[in-house]
Amino acid sequence: NAGVTQTPKFRVLKTGQSMTLLCAQDMNHEYMYWYRQDPGMGLRLIHYSVGEGTTAKGEVPDGYNVSRLKKQNFLLGLESAAPSQTSVYFCASSYPMPQQSSYEQYFGPGTRLTVT
Amino acid sequence: EDQVTQSPEALRLQEGESSSLNCSYTVSGLRGLFWYRQDPGKGPEFLFTLYSAGEEKEKERLKATLTKKESFLHITAPKPEDSATYLCAVRSLYNFNKFYFGSGTKLNVKP
Repeated sequence: NAGVTQTPKFRVLKTGQSMTLLCAQDMNHEYMYWYRQDPGMGLRLIHYSVGEGTTAKGEVPDGYNVSRLKKQNFLLGLESAAPSQTSVYFCASSYPMPQQSSYEQYFGPGTRLTVT
Repeated sequence: EDQVTQSPEALRLQEGESSSLNCSYTVSGLRGLFWYRQDPGKGPEFLFTLYSAGEEKEKERLKATLTKKESFLHITAPKPEDSATYLCAVRSLYNFNKFYFGSGTKLNVKP
């Protein structure tokens, strides 16, 4: 049981280039999330998905797109990278427990992206 | 606006010196307060969920408590392996698909 995995672990892009980050989970979780983490700012939600084929905007969605074609995968795309998108990106997944009203999240190891 | 503030930003303790980390929150109807531990270069690891004021949860040297405005993570007799960044997050009743994180407290426990 690998949990949540992210690909790649590191990437360097030049301004204007595009790329896709892949998140995969093997826990059959319904919910998946993409966050970015910057020094002193905590984790900020970019986009999330509450099920296969559905996506929604989070707190900082501009410059990013996502897709959830399969339940186990959640892709984050950068169409035209900017230096402001230099960050560490984390994917998370969660499953609503029927007997409770809140969901703990399980995080991947992160992708460190540098845009020059 | 839903908001989480953690203090202090950094805390340095001697091994065995107990202390507490604070998480203050404003949320439109709390639907869960979460504590996570994050080691350098890794993703956050879930520790606790608290749902209502007065609730407490324990795990080894850690104990989390919750009031209507804040949560505390008490660390009793810490060891060097407890060194990490501790993150707090809340989920609100009206934006229940979103989690709002604080910026964390970086704990360093010296032997």
